[in-house]
Amino acid sequence: EAQVTQNPRYLITVTGKKLTVTCSQNMNHEYMSWYRQDPGLGLRQIYYSMNVEVTDKGDVPEGYKVSRKEKRNFPLILESPSPNQTSLYFCASSASGGFGYTFGSGTRLTVV
Amino acid sequence: GENVEQHPSTLSVQEGDSAVIKCTYSDSASNYFPWYKQELGKRPQLIIDIRSNVGEKKDQRIAVTLNKTAKHFSLHITETQPEDSAVYFCAARRAMKTSYDKVIFGPGTSLSVIP
Repeated sequence: EAQVTQNPRYLITVTGKKLTVTCSQNMNHEYMSWYRQDPGLGLRQIYYSMNVEVTDKGDVPEGYKVSRKEKRNFPLILESPSPNQTSLYFCASSASGGFGYTFGSGTRLTVV
Repeated sequence: GENVEQHPSTLSVQEGDSAVIKCTYSDSASNYFPWYKQELGKRPQLIIDIRSNVGEKKDQRIAVTLNKTAKHFSLHITETQPEDSAVYFCAARRAMKTSYDKVIFGPGTSLSVIP
């Protein structure tokens, strides 16, 4: 089954404790992206990757890092999480940039 | 900067009636306009999309129309059913000169279909 898999689904952490949210797709998609979803603000892009070893900032990259060492994986790293990063995060992929995203199931992150 | 506005933010309709959600975009270079449906607690899913060289596209009970001159596009759902209740997001995609394809989402419309 074609899918984007995110882990974990839920995460509660403390301020400053590094964490990684994993994202993996099995569709051989070149384009992958991370979004955060907050009430009233829709989906805002954090980082994207056009292909392996090619990543760039989206609209809200501050406080986040990503890497794309393999085509299928695109982890999101929070080096020092803060409470304003409490949000619902989605990983998405598409065969080419922006056309017809497939989204992961989401990660609800709470930073206390 | 580029943005996508979406109206209304909430919409309630009686089952069987039609629902219309409208989006406007600011970047005239946008060339692809998808709509995503997000049911409560679930991921957004693509339901229909339209490219800038097409004025209208239909898929059973849903349709999307695009007015490039006015820079707006709309989602039309006919014969609404309770399972249509969800948050709907529009988006606009622009192919940038650097080959980065930027996708900007609207803030969403919460649709409730009353049985």
